[in-house]
Amino acid sequence: KQEVTQIPAALSVPEGENLVLNCSFTDSAIYNLQWFRQDPGKGLTSLLLIQSSQREQTSGRLNASLDKSSGRSTLYIAASQPGDSATYLCAVRVAIHTDSGTYKYIFGTGTRLKVLA
Amino acid sequence: DVKVTQSSRYLVKRTGEKVFLECVQDMDHENMFWYRQDPGLGLRLIYFSYDVKMKEKGDIPEGYSVSREKKERFSLILESASTNQTSMYLCASRLTGDITDTQYFGPGTRLTVL
Repeated sequence: KQEVTQIPAALSVPEGENLVLNCSFTDSAIYNLQWFRQDPGKGLTSLLLIQSSQREQTSGRLNASLDKSSGRSTLYIAASQPGDSATYLCAVRVAIHTDSGTYKYIFGTGTRLKVLA
Repeated sequence: DVKVTQSSRYLVKRTGEKVFLECVQDMDHENMFWYRQDPGLGLRLIYFSYDVKMKEKGDIPEGYSVSREKKERFSLILESASTNQTSMYLCASRLTGDITDTQYFGPGTRLTVL
């Protein structure tokens, strides 16, 4: 059974620091891995998606990596800003029935990031 | 921009009541999902639908049912609400074949069952 874990659960850093958030999954049979951002009381916004054949994706100050064989992904945030404060979640897409092509997403519990001004 | 709306931001219901949570998307997406989010447990999939009148159970369907009579609307039903269904409920939609695999989430409904 696929399980997705994110450590740490919470993180506080001073503004300007570079930081890394971790995501691990137990089964390497994934289609892709996504990183999301969630602001308090809001829904999720997709940040980056890495296909299973890819190693990393970049968007602005964000860089996500994927190592399928070890079941790990990292989200690197450069030069953090107070506006980056949010909860960051990772999710893997996995097959439910390979015959019918149905799938689902399994989410981690998130890392709550606070960037101090 | 894709917009996913949920009928209520906050709901308070009593044990045993029938509860309807509505989700509407305006971009003709085939796929729609209902999740609940609890502290320490993350998002867990309740039900999903690949198209109109189609539905599939997710990981925690017990105590819930769904309805997808129109493409834009996906309803989550709590037949007899219980206190352990107090949670944040999130709806999402996705376009079939979208290579970016983007799920668009609604703002969530925080349900309290007393």
